Amino acid sequence: DVKVTQSSRYLVKRTGEKVFLECVQDMDHENMFWYRQDPGLGLRLIYFSYDVKMKEKGDIPEGYSVSREKKERFSLILESASTNQTSMYLCASSFIRGQRSTEAFFGQGTRLTVV
Amino acid sequence: GENVEQHPSTLSVQEGDSAVIKCTYSDSASNYFPWYKQELGKGPQLIIDIRSNVGEKKDQRIAVTLNKTAKHFSLHITETQPEDSAVYFCATRGTDKLIFGTGTRLQVFP
Repeated sequence: DVKVTQSSRYLVKRTGEKVFLECVQDMDHENMFWYRQDPGLGLRLIYFSYDVKMKEKGDIPEGYSVSREKKERFSLILESASTNQTSMYLCASSFIRGQRSTEAFFGQGTRLTVV
Repeated sequence: GENVEQHPSTLSVQEGDSAVIKCTYSDSASNYFPWYKQELGKGPQLIIDIRSNVGEKKDQRIAVTLNKTAKHFSLHITETQPEDSAVYFCATRGTDKLIFGTGTRLQVFP
């Protein structure tokens, strides 16, 4: 069964802390994505990666960075957490077939609160 | 840039009625249009998708229609049931990433 696992369901961090959100997929997918979900704004892409050590900025990369050292793992890093980064974070993965990415599979989400 | 507009933001229907959610996109190069359902406490899950060479696709009680000329596509749910209550997202594929709409919260009342 397809699985994307995010390390935490809920996190509470203090302003200024460095925060790591981890995501692991077991489907050997090339593409991995980080989205944040906010009411009325839908899912907004933060960063994505189409291969190990490769990364591309999404629509809202400011204040975030990512790391992809292994194919199955994609980490989202908040260098210095701020209250406006309180949100639901969703990781997803997909594989490439014939030069095009296919269905995205999502993790269960991490609800991050920055106080 | 690439943009997807989704309406309505909330939708309440009586069990057994139909529900329709509409999306409009801006990128004429989009060729893949999935719909995701997100239940409470879970990540979004694909329920149906359509590619640009097809105008309509149906899977039991759900169907999606695509009008490439007008750049809009719609999700139709017939004979709604309480378990259809969830947030629904449309999306388009721009280059190699999905662009999502803002979501529709569907409530089905028994």
